[in-house]
Amino acid sequence: EVQILESGGGLVQTGGSLRLSCGASGFTFSSHALTWVRQAPGKGLEWVSTVSAGGGVTHYADSVRGRFTISRDKSKNTVYLQMNNLRAEDTALYYCAKLSGSGGGFFDYWGQGTLVIVSS
Amino acid sequence: EIVLTQSPGTLSLSPGERATLSCRASQGVTSNYLAWYQQKPGQAPRLLIYGASSRASGIPDRFSGSGSGTDFTLTISRLEPEDFAVYYCQHYGSLWTFGQGTKVEIK
Repeated sequence: EVQILESGGGLVQTGGSLRLSCGASGFTFSSHALTWVRQAPGKGLEWVSTVSAGGGVTHYADSVRGRFTISRDKSKNTVYLQMNNLRAEDTALYYCAKLSGSGGGFFDYWGQGTLVIVSS
Repeated sequence: EIVLTQSPGTLSLSPGERATLSCRASQGVTSNYLAWYQQKPGQAPRLLIYGASSRASGIPDRFSGSGSGTDFTLTISRLEPEDFAVYYCQHYGSLWTFGQGTKVEIK
């Protein structure tokens, strides 16, 4: 059974940093890309960032490029999202999801999310 | 970047009725890389359809997807009480984008 569990969310001041973690199990971790998607309160889904299966290729939404960094640790079956210079508009529930493919594809399994609140 | 526009914003229907949700892309979607997700309040999104028309594992056959190019449709043939939710379309080509969502509510 595929399981995805996010952690690391919390309350942070504007300009601060936070690192989210996403632990995954139930599939061959090294064969699938993983992604972060966020949802601001009462709003729709926004794709944030994706890392390829091998970790060598990363993609970012324009809204976070240069501030967020995605990475993965195959020894821990974990993906990270390092978020720096946080803004109020980064406040959202952050979901981690598994992609159907190694470098792309749709999001076939999702975690339950971790909440990030950025406040001054 | 492909922009996806979903319509209507809200669909008010009764259980047993047919729901038709639209997703229009700003440019042609390569290889029909179009997915649909369902999200209920307080829950994570769930994959329903990928490749425009393929049902994900465990999805009931009352859900169907169709379309190509720039126009795509999600149809729920007969609404069950558990189908009232928000539905998002997504393009998954070189990058990923979501539509703004359609809420299917009980009339």
